[in-house]
Amino acid sequence: EIVMTQSPVTLSVSPGERVILSCRASQSVSSNLAWYQQKPGQPPRLLIYDASTRATGIPATFSGSGSGTEFTLTISSLQSEDFAVYYCQQYNNWPRTFGQGTKVEIK
Amino acid sequence: EVQLVESGGGLVQPGGSLRLSCAASGFTFSNYAMNWVRQAPGKGLEWVSAISGSGGSTFYADSVKGRFTISRDNSENTLYLQMNSLRVEETAVYYCAKSKREWQMFDPWGQGTLVTVSS
Repeated sequence: EIVMTQSPVTLSVSPGERVILSCRASQSVSSNLAWYQQKPGQPPRLLIYDASTRATGIPATFSGSGSGTEFTLTISSLQSEDFAVYYCQQYNNWPRTFGQGTKVEIK
Repeated sequence: EVQLVESGGGLVQPGGSLRLSCAASGFTFSNYAMNWVRQAPGKGLEWVSAISGSGGSTFYADSVKGRFTISRDNSENTLYLQMNSLRVEETAVYYCAKSKREWQMFDPWGQGTLVTVSS
């Protein structure tokens, strides 16, 4: 099983700041990586897939990069609605696995 | 608009069984693989199972293999998860999610149904 490790676990930031979230895979997943956003009481929402492709309706403030084992999700200017938990997920191997999440909270 | 609506959750005793359903609309259901993903209270996401569009291929997490069965009725646009021998630690919100492409990323997700395993 591929283990996905996200860092940091929690990030305290101010609105307008640039945020970089990291996700590391225990073995190569090529570019078969997605990022999701989850707000309290809501299901996850797909943000990024194929490591760097924004899903439909996702603003350009969100961008993804990386391949192999190292990935990042960048939020260029954090808006109030972006405070949430972010998960990475690999779909290169079975079983599909998620990182433990990074909570982005208001500083 | 794609809609996924889960049902069937509730309180069940350890060792008991429950069947979850996910009613799909807004897309050609039989063309897409579907998934179940769960989230224990205050915890992260755990993929549980996936099924191909035809229903002919299935995958399971090791933690549920032999106890859970995923299935679908393409004539009714409905996905199912039969859960047997439930454990306390399987208390979670269970989400159904459409595979956006082949067996890959999940988009969108339903609102989830809560399964509580407790005596």
